[in-house]
Amino acid sequence: DGGITQSPKYLFRKEGQNVTLSCEQNLNHDAMYWYRQDPGQGLRLIYYSQIVNDFQKGDIAEGYSVSREKKESFPLTVTSAQKNPTAFYLCASSIGAYPYNEQFFGPGTRLTVL
Amino acid sequence: QKEVEQNSGPLSVPEGAIASLNCTYSDRGSQSFFWYRQYSGKSPELIMFIYSNGDKEDGRFTAQLNKASQYVSLLIRDSQPSDSATYLCAPSIQGAQKLVFGQGTRLTINP
Repeated sequence: DGGITQSPKYLFRKEGQNVTLSCEQNLNHDAMYWYRQDPGQGLRLIYYSQIVNDFQKGDIAEGYSVSREKKESFPLTVTSAQKNPTAFYLCASSIGAYPYNEQFFGPGTRLTVL
Repeated sequence: QKEVEQNSGPLSVPEGAIASLNCTYSDRGSQSFFWYRQYSGKSPELIMFIYSNGDKEDGRFTAQLNKASQYVSLLIRDSQPSDSATYLCAPSIQGAQKLVFGQGTRLTINP
């Protein structure tokens, strides 16, 4: 089965802790993305990567970090510098060939700060 | 002006009627446009994409694009209660490998 997996489904973080959200895809897609969604809002881009070992900041990168060491994996770290991290985090991937760059989403991770 | 504007709704439509969802965008260079459906608490799923001016039909769904007016719409015919969801419009960014998402329109189909 081809698809995108995210883990964990739910994550609880204490103030001052860093946490890492996992995203894996077996679609052989070049591009991967991280979004944040707050209640009643659209998706805001955190980081994206078009190729292994390269990534770009999105609109709200402050307080987050990523790595892209393998084509299949694009983990997101939410650092203690992110002041309001409680949100629904979505990972997506795309074959990356503009303009035919439809994105497919994983099931998401819901992060709550205690 | 927001990059992508959608009426947040809620849009209430009786079962069996046509639901019309609208989206305007600011980037004149956008070449591709995507519609996603998102059920409450779930991740978005792609339901339609359109690249050329005019209409594109897929089952009960029709996407309409007018690049001159920077307007894209989604029509859902014979609306079903299972169509109740938030619909996100996402144009591509010219020359970039990313999309920009509207805030979504919440659609409710009333039996």
